[in-house]
Amino acid sequence: ILNVEQSPQSLHVQEGDSTNFTCSFPSSNFYALHWYRWETAKSPEALFVMTLNGDEKKKGQISATLNTKEGYSYLYIKGSQPEDSATYLCAFHDNDYKLSFGAGTTVTVRA
Amino acid sequence: TAGITQAPTSQILAAGRSMTLRCTQDMRHNAMYWYRQDLGLGLRLIHYSNTAGTTGKGEVPDGYSVSRANTDDFPLTLASAVPSQTSVYFCASSRDAHNEQFFGPGTRLTVL
Repeated sequence: ILNVEQSPQSLHVQEGDSTNFTCSFPSSNFYALHWYRWETAKSPEALFVMTLNGDEKKKGQISATLNTKEGYSYLYIKGSQPEDSATYLCAFHDNDYKLSFGAGTTVTVRA
Repeated sequence: TAGITQAPTSQILAAGRSMTLRCTQDMRHNAMYWYRQDLGLGLRLIHYSNTAGTTGKGEVPDGYSVSRANTDDFPLTLASAVPSQTSVYFCASSRDAHNEQFFGPGTRLTVL
């Protein structure tokens, strides 16, 4: 069982504000770090797959950074909108290709 | 395209009974996965298959079995259900074992 931790567990953001949260993962046996977005009553959808130390990915107002040496990734939401409300999951992909998920950060954007 | 489908959507099952959860994908993905989602624990991998004809155990495989007779289908069987198997089950697939995963809509299973 791999230790993938996300913090905070939940956060509330005012519409228009920016926010960020963390995923920490083992720094050894690293293959990739995935981010998924999971809206209520839907299925998780992939946001990013990051493989290189220092990688930065962006999709719309959501971006992510990766530090494999220290074992963490940040996800940023710029100018949060109500439709950004979701649970954001990170998942550590090891060299055996197994994916271990964190418990998620639930973001609620208040209008 | 349908993508990845699961059946049934939900099921109530008596303890001790057997049940097969179905998962089918039409994306010709090589890898498929079964997860269970429990409150506060996130998604936990039950079994996986990197290619048709092969399967492997995930984090919580006990009480479950899988088969991968072809590329498209990856059924999950509970031979003798127990209440602790009450959960939401998600099937997923990816082009290969190291790519992003695509998730099905989930099956909500209640074992009484």
